[in-house]
Amino acid sequence: RKEVEQDPGPFNVPEGATVAFNCTYSNSASQSFFWYRQDCRKEPKLLMSVYSSGNEDGRFTAQLNRASQYISLLIRDSKLSDSATYLCVGAGTYKYIFGTGTRLKVLA
Amino acid sequence: DGGITQSPKYLFRKEGQNVTLSCEQNLNHDAMYWYRQDPGQGLRLIYYSQIVNDFQKGDIAEGYSVSREKKESFPLTVTSAQKNPTAFYLCASSIGRPFSGNTIYFGEGSWLTVV
Repeated sequence: RKEVEQDPGPFNVPEGATVAFNCTYSNSASQSFFWYRQDCRKEPKLLMSVYSSGNEDGRFTAQLNRASQYISLLIRDSKLSDSATYLCVGAGTYKYIFGTGTRLKVLA
Repeated sequence: DGGITQSPKYLFRKEGQNVTLSCEQNLNHDAMYWYRQDPGQGLRLIYYSQIVNDFQKGDIAEGYSVSREKKESFPLTVTSAQKNPTAFYLCASSIGRPFSGNTIYFGEGSWLTVV
């Protein structure tokens, strides 16, 4: 089993829709979790950190469930510009663990 | 603006040649990393460095070499020993000790193609 697992998608959603991604992890030693956004042929850019209490940044909400070992990302009111690949990342003491990404396409 | 600068963005290499990818950061981060990204795969760690003149092999170091002569700079050389070097290379950095749960920031990446 991969240490961080994501559904590769693509998730095709209409503009304005709410979409949610989950990411499961098997390395319980990870200290921190993050969501990154990666556009085609570009570098990953930090979208948000993920806290156990849940955190929100505008239309984006992230959640961490340590008991069930998954993190989630919710995007409300999807925009065309949200089309990208979303990577979940676990940051442990001795390594970063990267998911392979979930591809989102927001359609007009 | 603070950030990580990689160059060149696109590089073509003939088989048997060594090439060096540049990475400079002005974030005052101690830890620096090189990752490789292939289609459909997660990022894989090539090398990382905690301080000047110190660096450690990552999961796929064979065929690569690095140096850390300055805090700001962490160049990667892809040698002719690397059998499948065509990939997207990402330089990254983080504050404090490597990994340790800290946020990692990436440069814009370098596309290397073997022709």
